[in-house]
Amino acid sequence: QQQVKQSPQSLIVQKGGISIINCAYENTAFDYFPWYQQFPGKGPALLIAIRPDVSEKKEGRFTISFNKSAKQFSLHIMDSQPGDSATYFCAASAYSGAGSYQLTFGKGTKLSVIP
Amino acid sequence: DSGVTQTPKHLITATGQRVTLRCSPRSGDLSVYWYQQSLDQGLQFLIQYYNGEERAKGNILERFSAQQFPDLHSELNLSSLELGDSALYFCASSVISENTEAFFGQGTRLTVV
Repeated sequence: QQQVKQSPQSLIVQKGGISIINCAYENTAFDYFPWYQQFPGKGPALLIAIRPDVSEKKEGRFTISFNKSAKQFSLHIMDSQPGDSATYFCAASAYSGAGSYQLTFGKGTKLSVIP
Repeated sequence: DSGVTQTPKHLITATGQRVTLRCSPRSGDLSVYWYQQSLDQGLQFLIQYYNGEERAKGNILERFSAQQFPDLHSELNLSSLELGDSALYFCASSVISENTEAFFGQGTRLTVV
């Protein structure tokens, strides 16, 4: 069973602080690691993604760090803002090239950024 | 707006009943995915269709079935409903590539009473 383990389940961060969410995977065939952000009443939306040939990817205040040997990756949100309060999901996928694609999600982290 | 449309937004039905959830993918996306989201299980992959054909199957119960039609819209059929089937059901669509971004609809909230 493909699994992606995500921690913590919930996170409270002061405005301006750094939010860190961690994920670990088992299947070495995974080759694409996106993070999704979900606001209440909405569907998940892609935030940032990384492939295992790089160790870090930064987009604005959001950074993914990737450790291939440890099979771990994490999301860092710098200067966290109340508007970042949402549930964050890490995910992993393996592209089979036959039109088959399965995205496996972690269980999510509910982030609350307090003023 | 992701461009993926799901109907209905809310559905309340009784145990033992059958319901159909509908999904219209983004224009140009050939692949459709169905996910179930519950509080304790997170986002569970159910099934994927690509250009009308089933391509990948996840934790989908035998009571559940799906199909993708020639116009690429998809339907998820849930039958013999149980209380535990109450959840948010999301449809997503994408093109298929090495860097596939799946675009999610706003979901259908199913409540089984």
